[in-house]
Amino acid sequence: NAGVTQTPKFQVLKTGQSMTLQCAQDMNHNSMYWYRQDPGMGLRLIYYSASEGTTDKGEVPNGYNVSRLNKREFSLRLESAAPSQTSVYFCASSESPWGANSPLHFGNGTRLTVT
Amino acid sequence: DQQVKQNSPSLSVQEGRISILNCDYTNSMFDYFLWYKKYPAEGPTFLISISSIKDKNEDGRFTVFLNKSAKHLSLHIVPSQPGDSAVYFCAAHTPPTNAGKSTFGDGTTLTVKP
Repeated sequence: NAGVTQTPKFQVLKTGQSMTLQCAQDMNHNSMYWYRQDPGMGLRLIYYSASEGTTDKGEVPNGYNVSRLNKREFSLRLESAAPSQTSVYFCASSESPWGANSPLHFGNGTRLTVT
Repeated sequence: DQQVKQNSPSLSVQEGRISILNCDYTNSMFDYFLWYKKYPAEGPTFLISISSIKDKNEDGRFTVFLNKSAKHLSLHIVPSQPGDSAVYFCAAHTPPTNAGKSTFGDGTTLTVKP
C-alpha cells in the first residue's frame, strides 16, 4: 500500500542543469499536485492536474513544467535549475480537486539543492 | 497577502494536557478547512477537516472548531501525547467553482513533553 511515491529522495544540481522529479500514486485518484516547501514556510502550489489530460499553473509556476503522463503519474521538470529552486518538493493526490471530503495525500518529498 | 495565518510558530505542552493550535484566515470564499500533521523527513498527512457550514468536528482526541464570524480555526488535542510532537499545518480550500485552490499556513511546531 504505497500511496504516493516520489523519486528521487535527494538531489544536488548545479545551476543551469535540468532534472525531472517523478511521482506516482496507486489510489486511483483523479487529481495530482506539486508543492514546494521552503524553510519556515507553508506549502506553495507549483502546478496541478485536476484530472488526466489537464494541467494548470499554481502560485509559483515559473521555472517549472509538468506532465500528467497517465492517471497514476505526474512529473515535474526543472529545465534550468537556479539556487532559488532549492527546496523540498512534495507531490500529492486527491480524489477530486479542492473538494469537500477530498484531502490531499502526500509523498515523502524530494530534497533538492541547487548550487 | 497571506490568506491563512498560523501566528504561533511553536507550542510546548506537557503530556496529558490540552494542545490548542490556532489558525486565522481572511478569504470568506474558503469553504473547507483541513489540518495536516508532518513529521521530519516525511510528507504531511491528513488529520481532520471541517466544512464551513459546521462549527465543530471531532475525531477521537482531535477536535476542530470553526468560528466563521471571527475567521478563526482551532485544533484541540486532548490528551496530548509525545507522539503528537510534529508540525501542524492549517489549510483552506476554495471550491472549483471559484478558482479552486488550497492555501496552507506556515505551520506550528508542537512539542509534547513526557
